Amino acid sequence: GENVEQHPSTLSVQEGDSAVIKCTYSDSASNYFPWYKQELGKGPQLIIDIRSNVGEKKDQRIAVTLNKTAKHFSLHITETQPEDSAVYFCAASKTSYDKVIFGPGTSLSVIP
Amino acid sequence: DGGITQSPKYLFRKEGQNVTLSCEQNLNHDAMYWYRQDPGQGLRLIYYSQIVNDFQKGDIAEGYSVSREKKESFPLTVTSAQKNPTAFYLCASSIEGREETQYFGPGTRLLVL
Repeated sequence: GENVEQHPSTLSVQEGDSAVIKCTYSDSASNYFPWYKQELGKGPQLIIDIRSNVGEKKDQRIAVTLNKTAKHFSLHITETQPEDSAVYFCAASKTSYDKVIFGPGTSLSVIP
Repeated sequence: DGGITQSPKYLFRKEGQNVTLSCEQNLNHDAMYWYRQDPGQGLRLIYYSQIVNDFQKGDIAEGYSVSREKKESFPLTVTSAQKNPTAFYLCASSIEGREETQYFGPGTRLLVL
């Protein structure tokens, strides 16, 4: 079955710097890759997603890139702010009827 | 105000006791899910339901049970057979045909006394 790995497990950056979180997946049939942000004690919130027919997607300070050949995708956060501190999860899915497989998460700390 | 609600926020279980976690959504979503989250780990699927009166086991269904009598409700019962129930439980829902895009509730933290 599908397996999603995520690195690093923890990441600390200075406010204003960029943060990059990388994920790899095993099933080449996966074609949907969402990213979730989870603040302490709360449920995950979808922040951005990408489908396999595009290589990059941006939403203000957040961007996601996808390399289908290498089976990896990354989340880029620019000009980080303290409120970006949270756990970020990547995930992969094949079709709307397949399970969504989540990575183990990355704890991001933005130091003021 | 549309969304997914979970109650209670915290729940305590005694030995041998069954407890039920509530999940309600007013998004008119067809599919609903239950995940378990342990510290430092990703989300693991317990049960899911794509239509009313039907549900399927996920990866870690043992010790849990669900029902889906109404479209907007998907309660999860943690039975006494679940020997390690302490975790953060998350409910999610999604639109038919877009099940891969899931929206999560605020979660319930279950603790054992």
